[in-house]
Amino acid sequence: DAGVTQSPTHLIKTRGQQVTLRCSPKSGHDTVSWYQQALGQGPQFIFQYYEEEERQRGNFPDRFSGHQFPNYSSELNVNALLLGDSALYLCASSLQGATGANVLTFGAGSRLTVL
Amino acid sequence: GQNIDQPTEMTATEGAIVQINCTYQTSGFNGLFWYQQHAGEAPTFLSYNVLDGLEEKGRFSSFLSRSKGYSYLLLKELQMKDSASYLCAVTASGSGNTGKLIFGQGTTLQVKP
Repeated sequence: DAGVTQSPTHLIKTRGQQVTLRCSPKSGHDTVSWYQQALGQGPQFIFQYYEEEERQRGNFPDRFSGHQFPNYSSELNVNALLLGDSALYLCASSLQGATGANVLTFGAGSRLTVL
Repeated sequence: GQNIDQPTEMTATEGAIVQINCTYQTSGFNGLFWYQQHAGEAPTFLSYNVLDGLEEKGRFSSFLSRSKGYSYLLLKELQMKDSASYLCAVTASGSGNTGKLIFGQGTTLQVKP
């Protein structure tokens, strides 16, 4: 049973460029959340997608956008990259309606470096 | 507002016991998680508390006091592989079960021989 898969694992961009990160949720999950984790910090919630719509959003600018596809996979897009966008981007999947300990499954992350 | 505090770094000796504390202030509460994260890897689930008290799982235990906004993770019989970052996270009511967690900054634990 595949867990959460993310691609690419590492990438390097320059300031002002745009990036797209991809996530396939764990089998049976229908909700995808994205987190940004700067070096030495805990993950910060960016937004969450369910039924192809953004359901919740954290304190991130509009440069951060996303999409969810009918097969539940998701993309995170970041426009006009800044040096401060350098981070590990984590995708986490869950099943809407689930509660308790097994809410979230994290992927291994995409490491973005902005030069 | 919502705030989670945990120590930045801790050091302990192989075979010893270490307690990592976490205090939180949230607009609501629906459960507290502890995750382990090795450098460059995804967080992995360790424990979940929604009611007051101690949850034990092998070498790891987690305690919760909702009235005090306080939790701790207890690691026994420390092994070198336990060197990692330990993340405390809470779900706030209103976010329901939908996967929105509020994380602390993480505690980097170094286990020495």
